[in-house]
Amino acid sequence: GENVEQHPSTLSVQEGDSAVIKCTYSDSASNYFPWYKQELGKGPQLIIDIRSNVGEKKDQRIAVTLNKTAKHFSLHITETQPEDSAVYFCAAQTGANNLFFGTGTRLTVIP
Amino acid sequence: DVKVTQSSRYLVKRTGEKVFLECVQDMDHENMFWYRQDPGLGLRLIYFSYDVKMKEKGDIPEGYSVSREKKERFSLILESASTNQTSMYLCASSLGLAGPYEQYFGPGTRLTVT
Repeated sequence: GENVEQHPSTLSVQEGDSAVIKCTYSDSASNYFPWYKQELGKGPQLIIDIRSNVGEKKDQRIAVTLNKTAKHFSLHITETQPEDSAVYFCAAQTGANNLFFGTGTRLTVIP
Repeated sequence: DVKVTQSSRYLVKRTGEKVFLECVQDMDHENMFWYRQDPGLGLRLIYFSYDVKMKEKGDIPEGYSVSREKKERFSLILESASTNQTSMYLCASSLGLAGPYEQYFGPGTRLTVT
């Protein structure tokens, strides 16, 4: 099955700096790559996603890039704010339902 | 907004007890999922269901069963709870099979088995 690796496991940045989280996947058939944010005491919530026919997608301060040849994708958060502090999960999906998650990155934004 | 609710936020059960975790979604979604979340392991799929009375095993189904008698409700059952099932359990739902579609998560149930 699919194997998704995520790095780093923890990340601390100063408010206003950028944060980058990287993931790799193993199954070349994966075609959907969502990113979820999990705040304390809550379930994960989708923040951005990208499909395999697109190389980059932006939504305000958040962007995701995908390199299908190298089988890696990354989340970029610019101008970080304290409310960005959370655990972030990448995931890769093959087929209609098989979503495989990375192990998570705990991001801390220091005011 | 899609709402996925789980019956309990915290549960404490004894080894050997039968445990029911309930999940309800209000958006008429076809698919429902049960994951467990453990530190350093991310989210791992236990079971999913793509229709009423239909179910498929995920990556870690051992020790668990599920029930989906109504479209909006998906139950996770621990037939005989063990300490290694102490974990956070997350339910999710999404639109039908012609995906992929965003999965919407509930707030989770933290289960402790003593």
